[in-house]
Amino acid sequence: EPEVTQTPSHQVTQMGQEVILRCVPISNHLYFYWYRQILGQKVEFLVSFYNNEISEKSEIFDDQFSVERPDGSNFTLKIRSTKLEDSAMYFCASSEWTGTAKNIQYFGAGTRLSVL
Amino acid sequence: QKEVEQDPGPLSVPEGAIVSLNCTYSNSAFQYFMWYRQYSRKGPELLMYTYSSGNKEDGRFTAQVDKSSKYISLFIRDSQPSDSATYLCAMSVGEAAGNKLTFGGGTRVLVKP
Repeated sequence: EPEVTQTPSHQVTQMGQEVILRCVPISNHLYFYWYRQILGQKVEFLVSFYNNEISEKSEIFDDQFSVERPDGSNFTLKIRSTKLEDSAMYFCASSEWTGTAKNIQYFGAGTRLSVL
Repeated sequence: QKEVEQDPGPLSVPEGAIVSLNCTYSNSAFQYFMWYRQYSRKGPELLMYTYSSGNKEDGRFTAQVDKSSKYISLFIRDSQPSDSATYLCAMSVGEAAGNKLTFGGGTRVLVKP
């Protein structure tokens, strides 16, 4: 069964460092998303991406964050200068563009980001 | 008032019992409703997707939506220890891909053998 793959599973970084979280969405999906879940809190939407452009972003997704589809398979989330409060589980998701259930989003297993 | 509210639990039931979960929401623009299951330190896994008031059944799972009351439910029949997980409700305003999901905080369920 196709799945969303995220790497690494755990990333430890020092405050102020840049990190790149990587995702391989399901191959025929065209919409991509990043969500995050701070320990003990809700899953929160960060950004959606389609046709090499951001479709929507939340208030959390400030200038420190960026997304990119560098090639035909990968989708990345970059945090330029990490802060302690960026420590969270980051989930990538993808969805089809067409079909009867267009907005079904399939999630990866997540990357746990620990900022020290 | 939070957009989506969900009792955090934990909800502990004996094996074979019916598990009853629910969410309330405040934004009447939400039209599409999902239930995800999340095991510890894993990603959310879609269980049910509904878009109209009423019931939808899939195996041991039944999802109910009452838009007039802004209330959705998930029932798990004949619960198994493997159903022990956190259950997240999620909803979106639009049907089209690209619409963000707004999640509840999740209810932790423990099914005891």
